[in-house]
Amino acid sequence: GAGVSQSPSNKVTEKGKDVELRCDPISGHTALYWYRQSLGQGLEFLIYFQGNSAPDKSGLPSDRFSAERTGGSVSTLTIQRTQQEDSAVYLCASSFASGGKKETQYFGPGTRLLVL
Amino acid sequence: DQQVKQNSPSLSVQEGRISILNCDYTNSMFDYFLWYKKYPAEGPTFLISISSIKDKNEDGRFTVFLNKSAKHLSLHIVPSQPGDSAVYFCAASARGGSNYKLTFGKGTLLTVNP
Repeated sequence: GAGVSQSPSNKVTEKGKDVELRCDPISGHTALYWYRQSLGQGLEFLIYFQGNSAPDKSGLPSDRFSAERTGGSVSTLTIQRTQQEDSAVYLCASSFASGGKKETQYFGPGTRLLVL
Repeated sequence: DQQVKQNSPSLSVQEGRISILNCDYTNSMFDYFLWYKKYPAEGPTFLISISSIKDKNEDGRFTVFLNKSAKHLSLHIVPSQPGDSAVYFCAASARGGSNYKLTFGKGTLLTVNP
């Protein structure tokens, strides 16, 4: 079946502009995650959605970052007033059922964001 | 403060030989460890995992070893194949309510030469 898809695959924006990144999880997966990978770094957890529960936003680096998940499926990560340090690959993942540690997280190809 | 460290940015091995990728961690709350493999322009894909109650887990050519006292794990690939060339990420999750959060190392680029 279809994997996790993300759009756009690449985004170039100017400092100060807002950007929206989209994630379509695997159908039937109730848990959704956003990570970010800055150059030369490992993946950094940003936010976690599980079903109708309140999301875990503890990894969001600043209040310029927000995310929503509509209808328990598609998710949008929004970065307001982008800064150059926001340049990174933003990865979305989803997993089945409880989202506990033994649930494999399936990753999308990522959105490569460049802030000029 | 890096809680998961992969100290070798790159590793090159000959086809057919063993590849050993290493990972160290500092957080004693970590109790589940994973290896992900990533090809360019693709997302990471899950490879193998190990729970802290075990010291070894094997899946085909891939074996993960865990040394809890040393806070060290390693991934062995035998025999290595050119298609194994990729970036390998070590990841860990902690016991408790936020066990869905994975903490990743920076990755090791493995090149398997024909």
